[in-house]
Amino acid sequence: DAKTTQPNSMESNEEEPVHLPCNHSTISGTDYIHWYRQLPSQGPEYVIHGLTSNVNNRMASLAIAEDRKSSTLILHRATLRDAAVYYCIHYMDSNYQLIWGAGTKLIIKP
Amino acid sequence: GAGVSQTPSNKVTEKGKYVELRCDPISGHTALYWYRQSLGQGPEFLIYFQGTGAADDSGLPNDRFFAVRPEGSVSTLKIQRTERGDSAVYLCASSSNRAGTGELFFGEGSRLTVL
Repeated sequence: DAKTTQPNSMESNEEEPVHLPCNHSTISGTDYIHWYRQLPSQGPEYVIHGLTSNVNNRMASLAIAEDRKSSTLILHRATLRDAAVYYCIHYMDSNYQLIWGAGTKLIIKP
Repeated sequence: GAGVSQTPSNKVTEKGKYVELRCDPISGHTALYWYRQSLGQGPEFLIYFQGTGAADDSGLPNDRFFAVRPEGSVSTLKIQRTERGDSAVYLCASSSNRAGTGELFFGEGSRLTVL
């Protein structure tokens, strides 16, 4: 089964960069890596996604390892509003499924 | 509205009753997903529609669960003979892209409580 592995929780100080790791060792060549975050009592919110190359957008950067078996979501300057559960998701092109793990709870300390 | 809308936001029902949960996707989005999320867990895939047809319903847990999208827009998730284990937040998401290649837009979910 496709699976992603993330730390259960991480802490970071406000206004510092945050690196959230994810392992996806079963990924195949056409499978995308997606990141979403979820605040309490809300639906998940898209953060970023990529296939092979590193990706940047206004919210974050995604660094994908050369062998694609791991990736890192980078929040360049964390704010209190970034406190959420962050999900690294493996999209399986073979059956159109997004495989979600349990996510990393990010705690931001003021 | 601009986003994905789900109704009801909260539903409390008794064991054995029938429940319908509705999802209004973003206009023009062809892909629609249903997920179920239990407390402290990530979303669990239920079913994926591309247009009117269910492209993948392998996540539906049993034949008490059924979903339709008759006109390729609004979708309804139907649960028959509800059980206490069905209690969860049911999330709907839509996308303009082929599944998995773009951003999914989620609704805020329908919280189902089966007493």
